[in-house]
Amino acid sequence: EAAVTQSPRNKVTVTGGNVTLSCRQTNSHNYMYWYRQDTGHGLRLIHYSYGAGNLQIGDVPDGYKATRTTQEDFFLLLELASPSQTSLYFCASNPGQGTQAPLFGEGTRLSVL
Amino acid sequence: TQTVSQSDAHVTVFEGDSVELRCNYSYGGSIYLSWYIQHHGHGLQFLLKYYSGNPVVQGVNGFEAEFSKSDSSFHLRKASVHWSDSAVYFCAVSANTGNYKYVFGAGTRLKVIA
Repeated sequence: EAAVTQSPRNKVTVTGGNVTLSCRQTNSHNYMYWYRQDTGHGLRLIHYSYGAGNLQIGDVPDGYKATRTTQEDFFLLLELASPSQTSLYFCASNPGQGTQAPLFGEGTRLSVL
Repeated sequence: TQTVSQSDAHVTVFEGDSVELRCNYSYGGSIYLSWYIQHHGHGLQFLLKYYSGNPVVQGVNGFEAEFSKSDSSFHLRKASVHWSDSAVYFCAVSANTGNYKYVFGAGTRLKVIA
């Protein structure tokens, strides 16, 4: 069964802290995405990738790094976390061919104190 | 670049009523359009999509959406809602340029009163 798994599901850190959010997909999809969800803004694209070693800049990339280490794994890095990065983060994957829409993980809730 | 607008932040209806959730987009070329549902505390689940062909597409659980190129719209409809349809609904667009970048609207929170 197609799946996108995010970890951790919840994370609390302090301002200036270092955080890594993980995403793994077992769908053999080419594309993977990181979004943040905030009230009034919906989902905003942070970074995305079309394969291992590739990174594409999204619409709200400031303060975030990302790395696609394998076809399956896509990481989001906050090296100096700020309270403005408190949000619900979603990872998604997409085959990158045909018309299939992205498949989403269950989300990671991050609080930066 | 493509943009998406969902004009209604909140919609409240009674169980058994029909509902339409509005989605307008801006992009001059060929696009993919889709709708997702998000129940509280969960990720987004795919409802339906449109790329070409019949402008009315059917999705899961009785939902359908209609594409209109002239109105730049892709509104979601359901003829008779159930309390379990209470959720946040997101419209998404992706330009058919090969970069598979999906842009989402701000979402519409649907509340169904039993």
